[in-house]
Amino acid sequence: EAQVTQNPRYLITVTGKKLTVTCSQNMNHEYMSWYRQDPGLGLRQIYYSMNVEVTDKGDVPEGYKVSRKEKRNFPLILESPSPNQTSLYFCASSLRQGGYNEQFFGPGTRLTVL
Amino acid sequence: AQSVSQHNHHVILSEAASLELGCNYSYGGTVNLFWYVQYPGQHLQLLLKYFSGDPLVKGIKGFEAEFIKSKFSFNLRKPSVQWSDTAEYFCAVKPGGSQGNLIFGKGTKLSVKP
Repeated sequence: EAQVTQNPRYLITVTGKKLTVTCSQNMNHEYMSWYRQDPGLGLRQIYYSMNVEVTDKGDVPEGYKVSRKEKRNFPLILESPSPNQTSLYFCASSLRQGGYNEQFFGPGTRLTVL
Repeated sequence: AQSVSQHNHHVILSEAASLELGCNYSYGGTVNLFWYVQYPGQHLQLLLKYFSGDPLVKGIKGFEAEFIKSKFSFNLRKPSVQWSDTAEYFCAVKPGGSQGNLIFGKGTKLSVKP
């Protein structure tokens, strides 16, 4: 089944404790992206990647890192999480960045930073 | 900066009522337009999309949207809503056609009373 998977689905952590949220897609997509969703703010893009070893900042990159060593994986790294990073995070992928390509979303990761 | 505006934060309807959710964007060039739906506790799913051609686009589950270029709008409609349409709806715009990242509106929560 074609899908985007994220792990963990739920995570409660404390300020300053490094964490990684994994994202994997099995559709051989070139383009992958991370969003955070906050009430009243919709989805905001954190980072995106157009292909292996090609990443770029989205609208709200501060406090986050990503890497794209393999085509299928696009982990989101919070080196020193803070409470303002408490949010619902979605990974998405599409065949390419181009407008004709539908983005497929993962199930989401709900992160709470105490 | 490009932006997407969804006029209603929360819409409450009774079953069988007609629905129209507004979406306006600020970008003068070529755009690709999307509506996504997020059912409670689930990830985003594509409802419909517009790339070119007929400005009236039909999507899944009886939804449709009309692109009015002169008004920079892409409103979502459904003639008769059901309780199962209770969800949050996001309009998204990809400026520039083949380039550019997806920009989301803040979402409209739809509650349908049985």
